[in-house]
Amino acid sequence: NAGVTQTPKFQVLKTGQSMTLQCAQDMNHEYMSWYRQDPGMGLRLIHYSVGAGITDQGEVPNGYNVSRSTTEDFPLRLLSAAPSQTSVYFCASRRGKGTEAFFGQGTRLTVV
Amino acid sequence: KQEVTQIPAALSVPEGENLVLNCSFTDSAIYNLQWFRQDPGKGLTSLLLIQSSQREQTSGRLNASLDKSSGRSTLYIAASQPGDSATYLCAVSYGQNFVFGPGTRLSVLP
Repeated sequence: NAGVTQTPKFQVLKTGQSMTLQCAQDMNHEYMSWYRQDPGMGLRLIHYSVGAGITDQGEVPNGYNVSRSTTEDFPLRLLSAAPSQTSVYFCASRRGKGTEAFFGQGTRLTVV
Repeated sequence: KQEVTQIPAALSVPEGENLVLNCSFTDSAIYNLQWFRQDPGKGLTSLLLIQSSQREQTSGRLNASLDKSSGRSTLYIAASQPGDSATYLCAVSYGQNFVFGPGTRLSVLP
């Protein structure tokens, strides 16, 4: 079972560049989310989706864009990378409200 | 604001000890609570999920309890092993997403 797969695992960007972090799950889960993890801040919610075609903002959405065209995929786009977006990004999925969440292995992003 | 705290921030114990990690949350209107383990540089591994209607869940040497009315959960680890060394995260679900605690960094010394 692949579970939740994130690519790439590591990325270095220059300020102002754009990129897309990929997240795919093979469990037919409706709910998918993106979090960022920073030292001393814990995990914070960026964007989430409760099904294909439905997305919403989390706690720290600025500078990020998402879309959900299929159940399996939930990409996170950085529109114009800033050093403040240096972080580890985690994608998660769950079957529905109140169910167990599964996380990907993370993408470590550095913006210089 | 919904907040989750974890005490202690770090814990170091000798191998074989039983230990308790604590999680507190400010809003008791939760759907469920999930405990995760995170190894350095890795993702989150689910350990236990407790629904709001449950009092405890067990998996092997792990036991998690939930007291919704007081806003507390504990993770009990029996007979700790060096392989248990990791950061343990408590995550509280209020419906669609989680609010995470800052974690407890556990070191089990051989």
